[in-house]
Amino acid sequence: EAGVAQSPRYKIIEKRQSVAFWCNPISGHATLYWYQQILGQGPKLLIQFQNNGVVDDSQLPKDRFSAERLKGVDSTLKIQPAKLEDSAVYLCASSLGRMNTEAFFGQGTRLTVV
Amino acid sequence: TQLLKQSPQFLSIQEGENLTVYCNSSSVFSSLQWYRQEPGEGPVLLVTVVTGGEVKKLKRLTFQFGDARKDSSLHITAAQPGDTGLYLCAGLPMEYGNKLVFGAGTILRVKS
Repeated sequence: EAGVAQSPRYKIIEKRQSVAFWCNPISGHATLYWYQQILGQGPKLLIQFQNNGVVDDSQLPKDRFSAERLKGVDSTLKIQPAKLEDSAVYLCASSLGRMNTEAFFGQGTRLTVV
Repeated sequence: TQLLKQSPQFLSIQEGENLTVYCNSSSVFSSLQWYRQEPGEGPVLLVTVVTGGEVKKLKRLTFQFGDARKDSSLHITAAQPGDTGLYLCAGLPMEYGNKLVFGAGTILRVKS
């Protein structure tokens, strides 16, 4: 079974530029998560989708971050404009959903904002 | 505010020693999970505990869920260098429905 695919693996941008990350979850997984992980810390949930609907985006900085999950499969996370403090690893995870929340993670995208 | 507090933050031990990592909260969780993360990789699920008081064993790892479903522990017996990594607890707080939240993690280093 293929795992969660994320791209790109690494991205370096200047502050005020925009960037987009892509995630392809495990086939059949209804729930998709985007987490931000700053070096040395645990993942912080940015947004959670159930199929193509948003379940929780309470910690998403909506003035600069946006995410979508068209057709309830792939998802993209965008930052525009980026700030220095956005430097982090962005992890995508998926789970079957409903009562099964065992999350499977991709390798993440390491973003460096300079 | 971190819903799940992990302790210790860092642990450096010799091969063969035992250790325990703790995950505590004032909130009740419908389930708790433990993940292990290596540098440059995403977290990998180790175990899920669901019932208060539940104990699960995975080779040299023992996981316990508190009776009140507010805390959990991970005990490693005879640690090996391959156990080195970031250990994360995560769970579903009942007050937040289906939201999977993580603790800050415990960085474990096992020296040979």
